[in-house]
Amino acid sequence: DVKVTQSSRYLVKRTGEKVFLECVQDMDHENMFWYRQDPGLGLRLIYFSYDVKMKEKGDIPEGYSVSREKKERFSLILESASTNQTSMYLCASSLWPGGGETEAFFGQGTRLTVV
Amino acid sequence: KNEVEQSPQNLTAQEGEFITINCSYSVGISALHWLQQHPGGGIVSLFMLSSGKKKHGRLIATINIQEKHSSLHITASHPRDSAVYICAVRRTGTASKLTFGTGTRLQVTL
Repeated sequence: DVKVTQSSRYLVKRTGEKVFLECVQDMDHENMFWYRQDPGLGLRLIYFSYDVKMKEKGDIPEGYSVSREKKERFSLILESASTNQTSMYLCASSLWPGGGETEAFFGQGTRLTVV
Repeated sequence: KNEVEQSPQNLTAQEGEFITINCSYSVGISALHWLQQHPGGGIVSLFMLSSGKKKHGRLIATINIQEKHSSLHITASHPRDSAVYICAVRRTGTASKLTFGTGTRLQVTL
C-alpha cells in the first residue's frame, strides 16, 4: 500500500513562529503536493514538486515556501505564521503522468492552529 | 464561478437508500477523481476515470465527457459511508495538478 505520512495530526503555533510541516511518501513518486483545505473553499494547491529540488507555485503560495531535498520528503514552511494560515494542510503524491491516468495518494492531514 | 461544482453540498440519507452525488466542470480535462474524506481529515481515492463507468463494491462512478458531468452513486448506503465526497479534475495540459470541488457532506442515519 502506498503511504503518505504527515509528521503531525494537530499543531498549535504562535503568530510569527517559523513552522515546518513534513510529508514522506514510500512509493518513489515523482510528484508531491501541498494543499490547504478551508470550509467552503475546498482544497487549494499551495506548491507542488515534480522532482528533487524542483518546485512550482500553486494557486496560493504567498506566505509559504517548500523544500524537496530527497525524493521521498516534501516540506512545507511557513516563514512567519499568521492567524489566516490556520487551516487543514494535506500532502499528496503521485507518479509522473507519462500519458496514463495517475492516481493521487493523500496523507492524513495536519490541522494547524496559529494563535 | 468555480471550475468544478458539486451538488448537493449536504445530503442526509437513511440507511439503505440509493445516493447520487453530482459533479459538473467547465474546463477540458484528462481525468476526473472521486475522493472520500472521513472526519479527522485523511483523504482516500475512490475512483479515477476518463470515460464511461467504474464500479467498486457498492460504489459506482460515471462520467459523460460531452456533458462535462460525473456522478458518484452509492447503493444500499450505510452509516459508515458518512463522509465528505470530493470531485477533482485534472485539467488538460496541467500535468498532475488537480482542481477540486468543495465537497458533498453525506450523513447516513440508521
